[in-house]
Amino acid sequence: EPEVTQTPSHQVTQMGQEVILRCVPISNHLYFYWYRQILGQKVEFLVSFYNNEISEKSEIFDDQFSVERPDGSNFTLKIRSTKLEDSAMYFCASRVEGEGNQPQHFGDGTRLSIL
Amino acid sequence: ILNVEQSPQSLHVQEGDSTNFTCSFPSSNFYALHWYRWETAKSPEALFVMTLNGDEKKKGRISATLNTKEGYSYLYIKGSQPEDSATYLCASGYGQNFVFGPGTRLSVLP
Repeated sequence: EPEVTQTPSHQVTQMGQEVILRCVPISNHLYFYWYRQILGQKVEFLVSFYNNEISEKSEIFDDQFSVERPDGSNFTLKIRSTKLEDSAMYFCASRVEGEGNQPQHFGDGTRLSIL
Repeated sequence: ILNVEQSPQSLHVQEGDSTNFTCSFPSSNFYALHWYRWETAKSPEALFVMTLNGDEKKKGRISATLNTKEGYSYLYIKGSQPEDSATYLCASGYGQNFVFGPGTRLSVLP
């Protein structure tokens, strides 16, 4: 069964450094998402992406964050100048065409640790 | 802002017990309700998507019901097994996006 893959599984970065988290969504999916989960807290929506542009973003997704689909397969999340509070699990998800009644398929996540 | 709640926060049951937990969501502008199963160190796995009031879905020993008028969904597990131990997330879908509840962490003791 096709999967969403995320790399790396664990990223350790110094505060203030830039970090890029990578995702390869399922090939026929058209909607892409990033979520994060800070340890002990709920899963939080960051951004959704469709047709090569951001369709919705949360308050968390400020100017330090950006997303890109640089080629036909990768979907990346960049954090420009990381802060300690960016430490979290970051999940990528994708789904097929259609409205919110189609399930999202998640990757295994990247654990981001900011020192 | 859409707010999705789940209860209880955590639950411990003995192997063989049946159990259930709740997801509540705003009933206005409802579009779809999703249940996910999330095991430690793995990605969330989609269990059910429900859209119609009174909907009931079943997958093996797990089933779910939906009441869109009062804004809740129940997830039932019949004859719990240790491999059912996971966090069960519900999410209310609106338009293209989801709002997740905080999850119910289920531990099934052998």
